Amino acid sequence: DQQVKQNSPSLSVQEGRISILNCDYTNSMFDYFLWYKKYPAEGPTFLISISSIKDKNEDGRFTVFLNKSAKHLSLHIVPSQPGDSAVYFCAASAKKLVFGQGTRLTINP
Amino acid sequence: SAVISQKPSRDICQRGTSLTIQCQVDSQVTMMFWYRQQPGQSLTLIATANQGSEATYESGFVIDKFPISRPNLTFSTLTVSNMSPEDSSIYLCSANGQGVTDTQYFGPGTRLTVL
Repeated sequence: DQQVKQNSPSLSVQEGRISILNCDYTNSMFDYFLWYKKYPAEGPTFLISISSIKDKNEDGRFTVFLNKSAKHLSLHIVPSQPGDSAVYFCAASAKKLVFGQGTRLTINP
Repeated sequence: SAVISQKPSRDICQRGTSLTIQCQVDSQVTMMFWYRQQPGQSLTLIATANQGSEATYESGFVIDKFPISRPNLTFSTLTVSNMSPEDSSIYLCSANGQGVTDTQYFGPGTRLTVL
């Protein structure tokens, strides 16, 4: 039972444009959501999070949106930069973290 | 945030042997966790390392296979016992940041290959 799903295994975006990564979840008990970025041969790096009582959280170029009724969250990166090329994982928490499968983002010059 | 280091960063082991992975956090943390990332897969929680008591294992993971120690608030070890090629994975340690209990910070991982 995949409680957290990232349906796009990969995404390619041109430098300077907006990158939108999507994540769906099934467990209504999740109350905290996070996005991580992972480069090869490194551990996941925390990017941004959002509590279930909010619908938007912004930190510089990164914005996370939460739609509780649709059980959907998204990460917007604008403008996209070549250094953003990595695998992005969404995670949801109900006392412990459950991760999605990841989306490989490639930013093209 | 917490800064986490792991040793070794990678290892190649023979079937039937055991490997102990160390995790060190730069500050005292309440919660420490061990994850596995199999090739091409997501991160799966193995167990929560509890300070002063036995670890709490997730479904599908047992103490005999993955014994865990947590002697203090900054250090934990995970042992992968009686290894088989199916244990080839990246093993990751994580910890909650100070005062923010739901955000976990990860170590760089240990890449294990079992021949």
